[in-house]
Amino acid sequence: NAGVTQTPKFQVLKTGQSMTLQCAQDMNHNSMYWYRQDPGMGLRLIYYSASEGTTDKGEVPNGYNVSRLNKREFSLRLESAAPSQTSVYFCAIQHSTGLYGNQPQHFGDGTRLSIL
Amino acid sequence: DAKTTQPNSMESNEEEPVHLPCNHSTISGTDYIHWYRQLPSQGPEYVIHGLTSNVNNRMASLAIAEDRKSSTLILHRATLRDAAVYYCILRDYRLDSNYQLIWGAGTKLIIKP
Repeated sequence: NAGVTQTPKFQVLKTGQSMTLQCAQDMNHNSMYWYRQDPGMGLRLIYYSASEGTTDKGEVPNGYNVSRLNKREFSLRLESAAPSQTSVYFCAIQHSTGLYGNQPQHFGDGTRLSIL
Repeated sequence: DAKTTQPNSMESNEEEPVHLPCNHSTISGTDYIHWYRQLPSQGPEYVIHGLTSNVNNRMASLAIAEDRKSSTLILHRATLRDAAVYYCILRDYRLDSNYQLIWGAGTKLIIKP
């Protein structure tokens, strides 16, 4: 999944700890997304950023905050981690000119987060 | 957003064609049909998408029914590397609906050597 880099790849936290997941892209795409994927399920959107300087909530935003630091970077922060946030987190990017529905999303390899 | 229905799993033999079905009976005229796949322990990977006409690319072919209420992803010659979960997703092309991809559980494709 060249073009989208997520760090760290794995992390274990204790309940109540905070953490920031990082996502960086080198494809110069405007839109960036954060998803979570629980075992055996499809992805659910947490937050997205249609362009630099804007962020919006997705389907499951509670317990998370995001920052679109610049065009390349989009971070996801857990202020007080809970066991229910144990999941695999994926960052995605999308070229967003023209017809949006006609543009594919490109994903990173994910961050596997366990909260004890 | 319109929903899709896919079989939970399918099996196929290596080097044979695979036809993965998807039903989307409530599709609207502004919905593109997208397919992604997810290999074990990796992020999803874009495969193909289309609106009304059949589409081909280096990875697969997409056959869309004339009434657009169903589609089929065709892998012409499956390899072991094609073992993955395949997701069929509808994507509204209008500007104000760009953010959402609605993911179901997908179809787990098992390739037998």
